[in-house]
Amino acid sequence: QSALTQPAAVSGSPGQSITISCTGTSSDVGGYNSVSWYRQHPGKVPKLMIYDVSRPSGVSNRFSGSKSGNTASLTISGLQAEDEADYYCNSYTRRSTVIFGGGTRLTVL
Amino acid sequence: EVHLLESGGGLVQPGASLRLSCAASGITFDTYAMGWVRQAPGSGLEWVSTITASGGNTYYADSVKGRFTISRDNSKNTLSLQMDSLRAEDTALYYCAKGVDNRNYGGFDYWGQGSLVTVSS
Repeated sequence: QSALTQPAAVSGSPGQSITISCTGTSSDVGGYNSVSWYRQHPGKVPKLMIYDVSRPSGVSNRFSGSKSGNTASLTISGLQAEDEADYYCNSYTRRSTVIFGGGTRLTVL
Repeated sequence: EVHLLESGGGLVQPGASLRLSCAASGITFDTYAMGWVRQAPGSGLEWVSTITASGGNTYYADSVKGRFTISRDNSKNTLSLQMDSLRAEDTALYYCAKGVDNRNYGGFDYWGQGSLVTVSS
């Protein structure tokens, strides 16, 4: 099964908002409200940022998740230098598996 | 505070077996699904397997199905991954991760530091 499709890279200036997309099919992203987003700084452990379009406790409200059809999106508002990292989405699938996106490198200019 | 500590990684030859373990603390272990996620050097995250809280249901990625077996011992707060018939493409850092709830929905809110598995002759 192919990975979910994410842009390889996005960038933004401090204070701006950016959106990272995660495109799948009706058998995964489009079929379930079960998309998660993770942030991973280089050499560090992934951190859950969004789960089921909700923020876990302790995650800044600058992070928000949404979904339309087969595409989920992560929006980061008020970009900060610490947001520079790799971001991954994942989704539950109809085959009872979990699939990740290829990852997006966010650069804060 | 939640802690997940993996062990058991190492260098093995193709075709060999290896068993990873993950010791959990700071959580009511038998309440949550647990899983393994791996990351090959310089690559992205790949889900490997999930087991439900009771151990009654297990799920695997196609890439490891039939070769890897996930299990848990709720009396010892321990998660395991038995890896057989290892291949070079299994080389990765293997993370133990705690599920947000008892579903296999891909949400993992705590992660260990990872255990490196290298498959090479």
